[in-house]
Amino acid sequence: RKEVEQDPGPFNVPEGATVAFNCTYSNSASQSFFWYRQDCRKEPKLLMSVYSSGNEDGRFTAQLNRASQYISLLIRDSKLSDSATYLCVALSNTDKLIFGTGTRLQVFP
Amino acid sequence: DGGITQSPKYLFRKEGQNVTLSCEQNLNHDAMYWYRQDPGQGLRLIYYSQIVNDFQKGDIAEGYSVSREKKESFPLTVTSAQKNPTAFYLCASSFQNRGSNQPQHFGDGTRLSIL
Repeated sequence: RKEVEQDPGPFNVPEGATVAFNCTYSNSASQSFFWYRQDCRKEPKLLMSVYSSGNEDGRFTAQLNRASQYISLLIRDSKLSDSATYLCVALSNTDKLIFGTGTRLQVFP
Repeated sequence: DGGITQSPKYLFRKEGQNVTLSCEQNLNHDAMYWYRQDPGQGLRLIYYSQIVNDFQKGDIAEGYSVSREKKESFPLTVTSAQKNPTAFYLCASSFQNRGSNQPQHFGDGTRLSIL
């Protein structure tokens, strides 16, 4: 079983839609979590950290459920520019980042 | 501007040749990392360094070597022992984690191909 698992998608949604991605992690000792965004053939860029209490940044909301060991990312009012691959990342107890393989989002007009 | 610079952007390797990928950061980050990304596989950790003159193997270190003589620099050598080097190589850096919520920031990558 992979340490961080994501549905690869693609998720095809119209502009203005709300879309949610889930991610599960296997190491209960993981303390910190992040969502990164990666555009085609580019480097990953930090989208947001994920806090235990949940956090919001504009149209993006991240949630952490430690009991069930999953993380979610909600995108409201999708824009064409949101089309990218979203990487779920967990910081292991050995201070290494463990990356999921990513979920691809395609927003269409 | 502060950031992480990788060079070259594209690199071609001949059979039996060693090549070195450069990674420099001016963010005063303590830790630096090298990842490899293959299609559909996500990022895999090759080597990482938490402090100058010290580094550890990641999950796929075979066929690679690194050095960390300066805080700002963490070059990666892809040796001839690495039989499948074609990939997108990403360098990242961060402040020391030690339980705190320190994300990594990435350079814009080097694409390595075999000639």
